[in-house]
Amino acid sequence: DIVLTQSPLSLPVTPGEPASISCRSSQSLLHTDGHNYLDWYLQKPGKSPQLLIYLGSNRASGVPDRFSGSVSGTDFILKISGVEAEDVGVYFCMQALQTVITFGQGTRLDIK
Amino acid sequence: QERLHQWGAGLLKPSETLSLTCAVSGGSFSRYSWRWIRQAPGQGLEWIGEVSQTGSTNYNPSLKSRFAISIDTSKKQFSLNLTSVTVADTAVYYCARGRRVVGAAAGSYWGQGNLVTVSS
Repeated sequence: DIVLTQSPLSLPVTPGEPASISCRSSQSLLHTDGHNYLDWYLQKPGKSPQLLIYLGSNRASGVPDRFSGSVSGTDFILKISGVEAEDVGVYFCMQALQTVITFGQGTRLDIK
Repeated sequence: QERLHQWGAGLLKPSETLSLTCAVSGGSFSRYSWRWIRQAPGQGLEWIGEVSQTGSTNYNPSLKSRFAISIDTSKKQFSLNLTSVTVADTAVYYCARGRRVVGAAAGSYWGQGNLVTVSS
């Protein structure tokens, strides 16, 4: 199975400051269709996960433009340009390239 | 985009059968496979399996073969059954959108989750 390793696992951030989360894959997630099959989700406290970024770098409908995703080989980065209080929760990456879908461990973002 | 609503029993005794159903509204039910995922207390997310529009399934090989996922395309619903539950099956179970046909939107939308507790 593909292993996704996130870092950091805990991320305290001052409101307005930028934040960055890394997700490193044990294998390439590049599909023959040219897309990287990695998504980013945010699970707010007491809620189900919500889609932020799909196929590595595409922002989902309704997601604020302070969220962005980038790819470099097997390294995936989620950036928040200026953290807001509502961004608190657990961020995780998910790969869907292989039949067996796997997830990163999750990164808990909270406000300083 | 699709909205997923799931339901099922929340408290089971060991050896009983877990049954959950997920109804999909809006969006394009027929353009996706549909999946189940669970999260045990304090643990990470675990993919259980996925069902296609034709009813073909894939399951996580690391899980014992007690799971069964089925689909009712006429009702836009899909279901999860888990036989002979144990305490280790205690988790929040989520239904979610799965793989897409060419041209359909990517990314997964999730149901609200069901906490299933197994206790004697």
